[in-house]
Amino acid sequence: DAGVIQSPRHEVTEMGQEVTLRCKPISGHDYLFWYRQTMMRGLELLIYFNNNVPIDDSGMPEDRFSAKMPNASFSTLKIQPSEPRDSAVYFCASSLDRGIGYTFGSGTRLTVV
Amino acid sequence: AQSVTQLGSHVSVSEGALVLLRCNYSSSVPPYLFWYVQYPNQGLQLLLKYTTGATLVKGINGFEAEFKKSETSFHLTKPSAHMSDAAEYFCAVSGIRNTPLVFGKGTRLSVIA
Repeated sequence: DAGVIQSPRHEVTEMGQEVTLRCKPISGHDYLFWYRQTMMRGLELLIYFNNNVPIDDSGMPEDRFSAKMPNASFSTLKIQPSEPRDSAVYFCASSLDRGIGYTFGSGTRLTVV
Repeated sequence: AQSVTQLGSHVSVSEGALVLLRCNYSSSVPPYLFWYVQYPNQGLQLLLKYTTGATLVKGINGFEAEFKKSETSFHLTKPSAHMSDAAEYFCAVSGIRNTPLVFGKGTRLSVIA
C-alpha cells in the first residue's frame, strides 16, 4: 500500500481564493481525520469521518472551511475564501479505529498571501 | 476529555547521551498513549504505543516509554542519542478507542555532535 496520499504537497494562493486539499486514505481504513498544524496551536483536529460520514466537525474553525468524503477512497478539505491566517500544514490521517493506529500523509503546506 | 502536556518545547542533547522527553496526560477514562515522530517536511510516524498490558513499551529506533498511571505520565527515553534522532516528537492520547487522538504541542529534539 502506498500509504495516505495527500495533494498538493505545497499550495500558495492569494487571499480570497478557494483552496482544495485532497486526501486518499489507506484502503480498508474506516476512519479519516483532517488535522491542522501551526506553530502556535500545534496539531488540531478539524474533522473526522467514519465510513464516509462526518462524525465530528467541531474543530472546523469557521464556515469558510468545509470537508467532504464522497467515497471511501477520497476526501477533500476546502477553504473558501482563504485568508492569511489559514496558512499552516494540513495533514490527513486514516485508521481502522477511532483512537488507535493512525497513518498520516505527508501533509499539504498551505501559504495564503 | 483528554489532554496532553509536553514539558519543554525544545530539548538539546549530545550525541550518545540519554534522551528524555516528558509527557503528562489527562484522561477521564483509561488512556491509550502514543509517541509520534516528525522529520522535517514529512508526516507523523508512529514510534510506539501503549494500549493495555505491559507498562514499559518498546518502539522503533531504540526508543521506549513507560506508562505510569500514578504519575499520569508517559515519558519517552532512549539510552544513547544519535544524530538521526533530531526531529519533532509528539505525545498523543485517546480514550480507549472512543475518541480521536489528542496531541501535545510537540518537543523538538536537537542532537549535538
